[in-house]
Amino acid sequence: DAGVIQSPRHEVTEMGQEVTLRCKPISGHDYLFWYRQTMMRGLELLIYFNNNVPIDDSGMPEDRFSAKMPNASFSTLKIQPSEPRDSAVYFCASTLRGLQRDEQFFGPGTRLTVL
Amino acid sequence: AQKITQTQPGMFVQEKEAVTLDCTYDTSDQSYGLFWYKQPSSGEMIFLIYQGSYDEQNATEGRYSLNFQKARKSANLVISASQLGDSAMYFCAMREVDTGRRALTFGSGTRLQVQP
Repeated sequence: DAGVIQSPRHEVTEMGQEVTLRCKPISGHDYLFWYRQTMMRGLELLIYFNNNVPIDDSGMPEDRFSAKMPNASFSTLKIQPSEPRDSAVYFCASTLRGLQRDEQFFGPGTRLTVL
Repeated sequence: AQKITQTQPGMFVQEKEAVTLDCTYDTSDQSYGLFWYKQPSSGEMIFLIYQGSYDEQNATEGRYSLNFQKARKSANLVISASQLGDSAMYFCAMREVDTGRRALTFGSGTRLQVQP
């Protein structure tokens, strides 16, 4: 089975541009998470969904960030306008309630560089 | 407030030796889960091992074991017979079950280098 799929793997953009990151969770999983990894702040949650509904967006930095999950197999994280401080690796992860080990399965990440 | 603490920014170990990576946590939940993830230089996050707060036995997964001391709120990862491929960043994480929150809170990580 395919794991969590993220695209693009790398994104380089200029300050002020709109950036859209995409994620396809593992089929059948009912939770989807967006995490961000930076040297300064480590790994932190941005937002997560359950059955396509946003549950906790307390980690979303500001209004420039938005996330959607229009269906069970697709989610987007959008940054508009982007700023250099948004440069980070963005991970998408998914899981299924009831898994014995409760683990989250991570995608390969999108490395975003904002110039 | 910092909930997961990894006090070792970097560790060295000789190949074939065992190594312990420290993790302490803070929570008021009675039910919680503790996780370790490995992040090699390629960047992906690889799940290693899980310990539930009510599990009576320490978790083991192959060469990985978790030294769970609930009263001390510690969940140290033990890697036995280290291999060169174990060189990576290791993250301890927690999920607080009582709150119903599904997200993981991560520690700052420990970089392990295995020397031949």
